Formats: sequence, C-alpha cells, structure tokens
Amino acid sequence: AQRVTQPEKLLSVFKGAPVELKCNYSYSGSPELFWYVQYSRQRLQLLLRHISRESIKGFTADLNKGETSFHLKKPFAQEEDSAMYYCALSGRGSQGNLIFGKGTKLSVKP
Amino acid sequence: ETGVTQSPTHLIKTRGQQVTLRCSSQSGHNTVSWYQQALGQGPQFIFQYYREEENGRGNFPPRFSGLQFPNYSSELNVNALELDDSALYLCASSLRTPSTDTQYFGPGTRLTVL
Repeated sequence: AQRVTQPEKLLSVFKGAPVELKCNYSYSGSPELFWYVQYSRQRLQLLLRHISRESIKGFTADLNKGETSFHLKKPFAQEEDSAMYYCALSGRGSQGNLIFGKGTKLSVKP
Repeated sequence: ETGVTQSPTHLIKTRGQQVTLRCSSQSGHNTVSWYQQALGQGPQFIFQYYREEENGRGNFPPRFSGLQFPNYSSELNVNALELDDSALYLCASSLRTPSTDTQYFGPGTRLTVL
C-alpha cells in the first residue's frame, strides 16, 4: 500500500535548537518525495523535493531508500519556521498524484 | 502572474444537496488537481485534469466529478452530499513538462455539510 507516515503530530523546540521532522513512506517503486509547508493563514506551498537536492530556508531532507525515510532537518530553528509541515510522495509516472502524510505542527519557542 | 484562486471561500450545505466548487489555475498552467482535506488530516487526492480530460483519480465515489475548461480553470461537483464530505477542498495547478510538474495550491474552499 502507498502510504506516508509522519509519527509526530506536534513538535516543539526552542529557537536555535536543531529540528528533525520525521517522514517514513511505503511505496512499491521509485517515488518522488516532497515536503510542503503551510504557515499560519497561508496556503500550502512546496518547501523542497528530493530530486532537486536543494536547501530551502536552511532546511534539507535526504532520501534514505533503505529505511524508506525522508526526514526534514534544520540545524538552528527560527521562530518563523513555526508552521504545519506535510511530507508527500508521488509515484514516477503518476501524473503528480500526491499522497500526503497527516502533517506535523512545528512550534518554535523564543 | 496570478496564483491559484478558489471560490467560494466557504459554504454550508445540507445532506443530500449538490455543490460546485471552482478553481482558477495559475497563469500558464495546464493541469489541475483536487484534494480533500478533512480536519486533522493531510490532503487526499480526488482527481486530476489535464487538457480538459480526467487524468487520474483517487479513492472517491462517482458522486465526486469534475470539469476542466479550455482556459484550464476547473470545477469540482459533489452530488448527494454526506456529513463526511465536510472538509477543506484544495485545488492545485501545475504546468506539466517532462522535467517538472510542481503543484501550486489555492487557499481552499471550506465545505460544511449539516
């Protein structure tokens, strides 16, 4: 079954602390993995995708095919990082059908 | 460049009624996808339209139907509304090319079924 699991509903850290948002997936084949973010009162937007291997707003994510994980990391959290984060996958050739996890709410305290 | 827009922002219907939600895709995009997001859940794929034809469907019953128009705007129609249809409905548009199909989301329509 195709599935994305985000085990933490809420993650609370202090400003300047490292952050790791966990994402595990189940997919038979070679998926594309994404992280989407939704800031308060804003729309859902793409943060990064694994094929671009970019660092956006200091966030990185490495695809670990052996552990079927795509954890999102940032070495020093900022208060403006507080948001809802969704991990998603798309099967290659699936025409962009995104399968989302339930999301993790990140709260960065001053 | 205009982003994805959706209308209405929110609406309330009663069980058994029908509803039409609208989406205007981002300028230059040719693909529209619809998602249902129930409270506390991630978005769930309903279907996608590419060049006016349905091009992939999630696990939703036939009473969920859609259209895409020549200007690539789209409608989502839901018949015989049920209480469980209460959710945020998201539209996302993209430009499908061999190298990318990044989806850009609209603000959503909040549907409440009483």
